Amino acid sequence: DADVTQTPRNRITKTGKRIMLECSQTKGHDRMYWYRQDPGLGLRLIYYSFDVKDINKGEISDGYSVSRQAQAKFSLSLESAIPNQTALYFCATSDFGQGDYGYTFGSGTRLTVV
Amino acid sequence: QKEVEQDPGPLSVPEGAIVSLNCTYSNSAFQYFMWYRQYSRKGPELLMYTYSSGNKEDGRFTAQVDKSSKYISLFIRDSQPSDSATYLCAMSLPTGNQFYFGTGTSLTVIP
Repeated sequence: DADVTQTPRNRITKTGKRIMLECSQTKGHDRMYWYRQDPGLGLRLIYYSFDVKDINKGEISDGYSVSRQAQAKFSLSLESAIPNQTALYFCATSDFGQGDYGYTFGSGTRLTVV
Repeated sequence: QKEVEQDPGPLSVPEGAIVSLNCTYSNSAFQYFMWYRQYSRKGPELLMYTYSSGNKEDGRFTAQVDKSSKYISLFIRDSQPSDSATYLCAMSLPTGNQFYFGTGTSLTVIP
């Protein structure tokens, strides 16, 4: 099994619908992140969490919300999807505080809003 | 000005060539520097990381950081078709709270 699992892998949804992207990890890392990737814009941070009670906004949090249900689970919600939220979404984990400096990424969720 | 600038390419080289990938950055407080490789339809995977200035070598890959010029590089020796991917640079403040990514450089190694 992958260290960081994202579901679904692909999703097409309609404008105005609520949608949740889920992420679970088996790395035991405390830090979890949600990024979106767009051509020409690279990876941009949406939200991050350092433990279950810690949630922080990234540079592009408007229109998104998150929930850290457990150390291993971090979900991203789009309350009312709009077409410019069409992108590739990645969940990542990190154990930076323990000397594991890199991110471990999931395989991504390709979201299309029509 | 973006925190991290990276030439998107695309870059196309023959097998066996030496590849040089580069990023510049604006925040002199960045301390951790990383390179990720991303294959099509996959998540980025960490290739190398460097703390502060200097060089680091791992097999065919060498990462260099020049903090005085705010410039980092990744060199790939004896490039292989399997190296064809998008390469992303990333960097972080000492806290490591978040990483700032370049937009990625697309590399194709032609057999």
